[in-house]
Amino acid sequence: DAGVIQSPRHEVTEMGQEVTLRCKPISGHDYLFWYRQTMMRGLELLIYFNNNVPIDDSGMPEDRFSAKMPNASFSTLKIQPSEPRDSAVYFCASSSRTEGNTIYFGEGSWLTVV
Amino acid sequence: AQKVTQAQTEISVVEKEDVTLDCVYETRDTTYYLFWYKQPPSGELVFLIRRNSFDEQNEISGRYSWNFQKSTSSFNFTITASQVVDSAVYFCALSEDNTGNQFYFGTGTSLTVIP
Repeated sequence: DAGVIQSPRHEVTEMGQEVTLRCKPISGHDYLFWYRQTMMRGLELLIYFNNNVPIDDSGMPEDRFSAKMPNASFSTLKIQPSEPRDSAVYFCASSSRTEGNTIYFGEGSWLTVV
Repeated sequence: AQKVTQAQTEISVVEKEDVTLDCVYETRDTTYYLFWYKQPPSGELVFLIRRNSFDEQNEISGRYSWNFQKSTSSFNFTITASQVVDSAVYFCALSEDNTGNQFYFGTGTSLTVIP
């Protein structure tokens, strides 16, 4: 079975540009999470969805960040405009209560903003 | 207060030594889940194990074993006969049944196995 699929795997962009990260969760999972990982702050939950509805976005750093889940098989995390401090690894993950809440992570999107 | 505490930031062991990674959690729920994840140098986060709060049986999987003790709110992870491939950051996590599947991760323990 396919796991969580993220794209792009790596992105280098210039400050001020828009960045869009994409995620396809595991089929049948009803929860989707976006995490950010940096050396300084560790693993941070940005936002999570249940049945395509955002449940908690309190971790979204500021208005430059937005996330959408238009359907059960696709989500985006957008940063506009991007700043160097946004450089991090962004993980998408999905889970299902029927699987004991286990979160399965994608391979991550490595973002560098120069 | 931290819901999941991994007090060991970094550990180094020599290959073939046993090593235990500590995890202490805090919850008032009676139904919850505990997890361990491995993050090797390549960066992906790999699920290792899940235990629910009603199952205190220890678990062994090859060289890996987990000791769940509700009395001390701990869920420790032991690697026996460590190998270089075990070098990674290991995260302990808690999910409470009444918080909509929200996860609480510890800060991770970086394990280096020296050949």
